[in-house]
Amino acid sequence: KNQVEQSPQSLIILEGKNCTLQCNYTVSPFSNLRWYKQDTGRGPVSLTIMTFSENTKSNGRYTATLDADTKQSSLHITASQLSDSASYICVVSGTSGTYKYIFGTGTRLKVLA
Amino acid sequence: DAGVTQSPTHLIKTRGQQVTLRCSPKSGHDTVSWYQQALGQGPQFIFQYYEEEERQRGNFPDRFSGHQFPNYSSELNVNALLLGDSALYLCASSSRDRGGIYGYTFGSGTRLTVV
Repeated sequence: KNQVEQSPQSLIILEGKNCTLQCNYTVSPFSNLRWYKQDTGRGPVSLTIMTFSENTKSNGRYTATLDADTKQSSLHITASQLSDSASYICVVSGTSGTYKYIFGTGTRLKVLA
Repeated sequence: DAGVTQSPTHLIKTRGQQVTLRCSPKSGHDTVSWYQQALGQGPQFIFQYYEEEERQRGNFPDRFSGHQFPNYSSELNVNALLLGDSALYLCASSSRDRGGIYGYTFGSGTRLTVV
């Protein structure tokens, strides 16, 4: 069964600290993996998109890594800001051209001053 | 360049009623997907429309139906509303020609509350 699991479920950190969110998937064959940021009550906003051949991709203070062999991805947030408080969702697409993406349940991050 | 637009932003309905949610895709996109997101959960795929036809469907009952218009906009209809239908409904648009990898853009959603 194609699944995407994220950990931790929730995380609280102090402003300025770094953190890393994890995503493990069993989707096969793999096409691409995305990380989204979702503010409460809003639609998800794409942070990074990685295909099979990409190991690392950065978007400002956000850096995503992908290990297609172990089917793991991580999202590292550097020098966190209060505005980073949100849910971070990992989404995996199983086959190139397929339009049904498999969503993780997300990690809820809270950044405290 | 307008992104994905959804309307209304909030909606309150009574059990048993019917509801219609609307989505205008991002300019240049021709494919619309609908998702249901319960509080604290990840989005669940409902269905996808391309060329005015339903192309894929998730595990949702027939009470959930949709439509896509020639201008690529889309509607999601839910009949015989249940309390459990209360959720954030997200619309995402993409371009079929780009293989779906790029430009998969979400709207801000419609918050449906069934009382």
